Amino acid sequence: SQKIEQNSEALNIQEGKTATLTCNYTNYSPAYLQWYRQDPGRGPVFLLLIRENEKEKRKERLKVTFDTTLKQSLFHITASQPADSATYLCALDNGHGQNFVFGPGTRLSVLP
Amino acid sequence: GAVVSQHPSWVICKSGTSVKIECRSLDFQATTMFWYRQFPKQSLMLMATSNEGSKATYEQGVEKDKFLINHASLTLSTLTVTSAHPEDSSFYICSARSPGRGDGYTFGSGTRLTVV
Repeated sequence: SQKIEQNSEALNIQEGKTATLTCNYTNYSPAYLQWYRQDPGRGPVFLLLIRENEKEKRKERLKVTFDTTLKQSLFHITASQPADSATYLCALDNGHGQNFVFGPGTRLSVLP
Repeated sequence: GAVVSQHPSWVICKSGTSVKIECRSLDFQATTMFWYRQFPKQSLMLMATSNEGSKATYEQGVEKDKFLINHASLTLSTLTVTSAHPEDSSFYICSARSPGRGDGYTFGSGTRLTVV
């Protein structure tokens, strides 16, 4: 069965450092891999999407890599700030609007 | 950007009553919307896919008679929790695929349902 894992349930880092979150999956061939941010009591907010034929994508302080051989995506936040503290979810999409599944999430805390 | 409005943001109801949650795409048409539930400290679990003008597709283990979904227009989907019980208390979230390419999905702000 499909399985999505995110490296840790919680991650604490110091302000200014780079946060690296990991998403691993098995028994799935996604066309896209997406990353979302979720704040407590709110719906997820889309951050980045990377396609299966893309290795890396950047958006401001965010960078996502996608290795379909390793079945892994890395999500980096550079120069992290306390405002980046939230839960980050990876999600797999087969590209047909079906079978869109979320990982369990990593709760990131950036300490001042 | 695309906006999905969800209402109400929170609701408290008595056990045995029904609750309706609305999900609207404000500036785009959504032929398909998705309904999720999320328990504390857990990820989102897809409950059903709502299709405009046709029956919803429910995920395994989700009771279609308990969670009624209606997608009567291209901008509105509703989820009705019928005969609610305390175990139905959860955070319900809807979403739709964003109209722009590569823009992922747009989510509503969620509805916190508490059944007492």
